[in-house]
Amino acid sequence: DAGVIQSPRHEVTEMGQEVTLRCKPISGHNSLFWYRQTMMRGLELLIYFNNNVPIDDSGMPEDRFSAKMPNASFSTLKIQPSEPRDSAVYFCASSLAHGRRVGQYFGPGTRLTVL
Amino acid sequence: AQRVTQPEKLLSVFKGAPVELKCNYSYSGSPELFWYVQYSRQRLQLLLRHISRESIKGFTADLNKGETSFHLKKPFAQEEDSAMYYCALNGGGATNKLIFGTGTLLAVQP
Repeated sequence: DAGVIQSPRHEVTEMGQEVTLRCKPISGHNSLFWYRQTMMRGLELLIYFNNNVPIDDSGMPEDRFSAKMPNASFSTLKIQPSEPRDSAVYFCASSLAHGRRVGQYFGPGTRLTVL
Repeated sequence: AQRVTQPEKLLSVFKGAPVELKCNYSYSGSPELFWYVQYSRQRLQLLLRHISRESIKGFTADLNKGETSFHLKKPFAQEEDSAMYYCALNGGGATNKLIFGTGTLLAVQP
């Protein structure tokens, strides 16, 4: 298995533009998580899905952020409009639901820079 | 409330010295704890699970329920161990939601 796949790896955009980040979880995993990592705030959980259903989106900063999981093998995180303070590394992770002991597996991250 | 505390932002040691990265947790039930490592500009990688009682890359971690701690230890640090280390707690319930500590940057000096 190639592990969790994220695209793009790097994204540079201008303030006000729409940004879409993509994630393909490990095949067979049915939980998917989106995190944001910054120097100031560390690692923050934005939202997670179980069986394609959003379970907890309390970490989503504001309405400019939205996430979808149309099927078991694909998820998107969208920021519209983007702002410079959204600059961060965004990680996607997946795991087996109801498998508390196995942990999560992270993708390589998308480094987003909003100018 | 469920919480993970890593009191040290930075730990600097010399090569060959022992290492202990501290992690304390707050959880009312039976905890599931993990250590993740992040090398420079790379993804987070699962290093240890407390349930496995394993040793990975010379690192071990023992769950101490009395002290609510899960410290990460290595007897002899190597330069390649330099990385960010995160302690994480599974929040329980029907999901694998993890609660992460703020991380400790381990710098191993030659």
